[in-house]
Amino acid sequence: QQPVQSPQAVILREGEDAVINCSSSKALYSVHWYRQKHGEAPVFLMILLKGGEQKGHDKISASFNEKKQQSSLYLTASQLSYSGTYFCGTHTGANNLFFGTGTRLTVIP
Amino acid sequence: DTGVSQDPRHKITKRGQNVTFRCDPISEHNRLYWYRQTLGQGPEFLTYFQNEAQLEKSRLLSDRFSAERPKGSFSTLEIQRTEQGDSAMYLCASSPRRIAGANEQFFGPGTRLTVL
Repeated sequence: QQPVQSPQAVILREGEDAVINCSSSKALYSVHWYRQKHGEAPVFLMILLKGGEQKGHDKISASFNEKKQQSSLYLTASQLSYSGTYFCGTHTGANNLFFGTGTRLTVIP
Repeated sequence: DTGVSQDPRHKITKRGQNVTFRCDPISEHNRLYWYRQTLGQGPEFLTYFQNEAQLEKSRLLSDRFSAERPKGSFSTLEIQRTEQGDSAMYLCASSPRRIAGANEQFFGPGTRLTVL
């Protein structure tokens, strides 16, 4: 039930944009996005609920297509602080989340 | 600091020893989760509590693992007869009770276990 994330890694220059994708083979109730910096705990970014929606958080936004069981995270005008590993967590109706293997994002000056 | 706290932050033990970790969730959160994370992987769900009731356990949780949340506040995760494959970061998260599936989980700093 682990979702698949792509790409596995991406390197950006400051100011560039990136898209991280998350797809599941199971029907999804919600998708959660987290960012984890090396040696630290995952930090919650946003939740997208069934019903298909988009959300924005500063220059980070996300969409959720429940029919395709896919979500995408959009990072625009990237900053050095965006570096880290991004995980999507999928909720299929049980109480727990299934996390993908992550996308390592590196922003360079 | 009102975030999730975990203790200890690091634990080194010898194979075959028992270890116990503690998690203190955010005070008003009634849901508590334990995850395990190995290098290069996302967190893997281990178990879930709603108040003091353990409502879900992963198949990953062998009979050497046990978790409790006796008064619906802090939780402990015990691993008996540790094996080298148990080496990992053990993360605790808590969440408030809102709409099912719509509860953000707040993670603690984790306990890094190394089994020699």
